[in-house]
Amino acid sequence: DIQLTQSPSFLSASVGDRVTITCRASQGISSSLAWYQQKPGKAPNLLIYDASTLQSGVPSRFSGSGSGTEFTLTISSLQPEDFATYYCHCQELNGYRAFGQGTKVDIK
Amino acid sequence: QVQLQQWGAGLLKPSETLSLSCAVYGGSFSGYYWSWIRQPPGKGLEWIGEINHSGSTNYNPSLKSRVTISVATSKNQLSLKLNSVTAADTAVYFCARNMGAMDVWGQGTTVTVSS
Repeated sequence: DIQLTQSPSFLSASVGDRVTITCRASQGISSSLAWYQQKPGKAPNLLIYDASTLQSGVPSRFSGSGSGTEFTLTISSLQPEDFATYYCHCQELNGYRAFGQGTKVDIK
Repeated sequence: QVQLQQWGAGLLKPSETLSLSCAVYGGSFSGYYWSWIRQPPGKGLEWIGEINHSGSTNYNPSLKSRVTISVATSKNQLSLKLNSVTAADTAVYFCARNMGAMDVWGQGTTVTVSS
């Protein structure tokens, strides 16, 4: 089964910064790579699916890219409401799903 | 707008069976997989398994021996049973709609396993 490793695990940034989070897969996957944002005490919120498709209602400062084994989530200009934990997620054709371990974005 | 409403017992003793349900309101039940995910306190997300409207399932291999996910299509509901629980099963449990990614989530149910 595929393992997803996110880097960094923790990131300290300021409002207005450009932030990039990487998700590396232990083997090549299709484009079914998604990104979620989670705030404390809340369910995760889907940001990006199919590696680069922005979910309806998600601000355009969020973008996703990548293929194969390396994927990135970019926040072009970090806003106060973006301080949260971010997870990548993949779906294999054999029915297995996996999450990365998470990246916490904190205020510098 | 699709909403997922979860319920179930929140406090269990070791060796008991965890039982949670999730109802789907405001949208189609067929055509999707419906997932269960959990999150231990202070930790990341773990996929448990999923089911579609016809009862086809996929399970996380690490939990497969203890997990049963079932569906009641007439009620637009899915259920999760996890047997022989231990303290390691203490977590917030979520149900979610899987359309290729999990786009709609339940509110989460906190389950604590303690003697």
